[in-house]
Amino acid sequence: DAKTTQPTSMDCAEGRAANLPCNHSTISGNEYVYWYRQIHSQGPQYIIHGLKNNETNEMASLIITEDRKSSTLILPHATLRDTAVYYCIAGQSTDSWGKFQFGAGTQVVVTP
Amino acid sequence: NAGVTQTPKFRILKIGQSMTLQCAQDMNHNYMYWYRQDPGMGLKLIYYSVGAGITDKGEVPNGYNVSRSTTEDFPLRLELAAPSQTSVYFCASSRRTARSTNEKLFFGSGTQLSVL
Repeated sequence: DAKTTQPTSMDCAEGRAANLPCNHSTISGNEYVYWYRQIHSQGPQYIIHGLKNNETNEMASLIITEDRKSSTLILPHATLRDTAVYYCIAGQSTDSWGKFQFGAGTQVVVTP
Repeated sequence: NAGVTQTPKFRILKIGQSMTLQCAQDMNHNYMYWYRQDPGMGLKLIYYSVGAGITDKGEVPNGYNVSRSTTEDFPLRLELAAPSQTSVYFCASSRRTARSTNEKLFFGSGTQLSVL
């Protein structure tokens, strides 16, 4: 799996968009980018994933650069309940599976 | 569906004791995982299984053992508990097929283990 780099922490105002960056410069062509979040003391929760194209679901949007070396998770209208640690994971290619490894993540604090 | 169920939620062990952390899923998932999370840190993969009878080591397998005799259950065994194993343990599962691309992991609520 490719190594990912995320900022340690970031703050966001309630109601504003939160843009969470992730670098994965060693990602291979068939590895996916996944985002999970972990609200205090709970098990991580899946948010979104993508391979090449931008993706959107009811929780967030994922923007992947054309060279796939970085991506941004966008929470369009952050709420206090979005305060959590957000993990970016690059790996799990279409022809390999098994080790799904988390890094340290970004602590996001949404303030009123 | 209950999803991923972990028991117990809390446990205190003395050094050298043994215990088994239970994990069960009712979603017919073929992949299952065990992670540990130390305070303020990310999750580290201990062991994983791609199906009944098949297990493999993750990043930090030392001091742990697993078995996967059924699709539903994936217990984690600590043989000789050490203070370094004080952590929160999460079990997760996912369904992988030859065509699937959505590798969504479902997590249990965790087991808080203290070794004193």
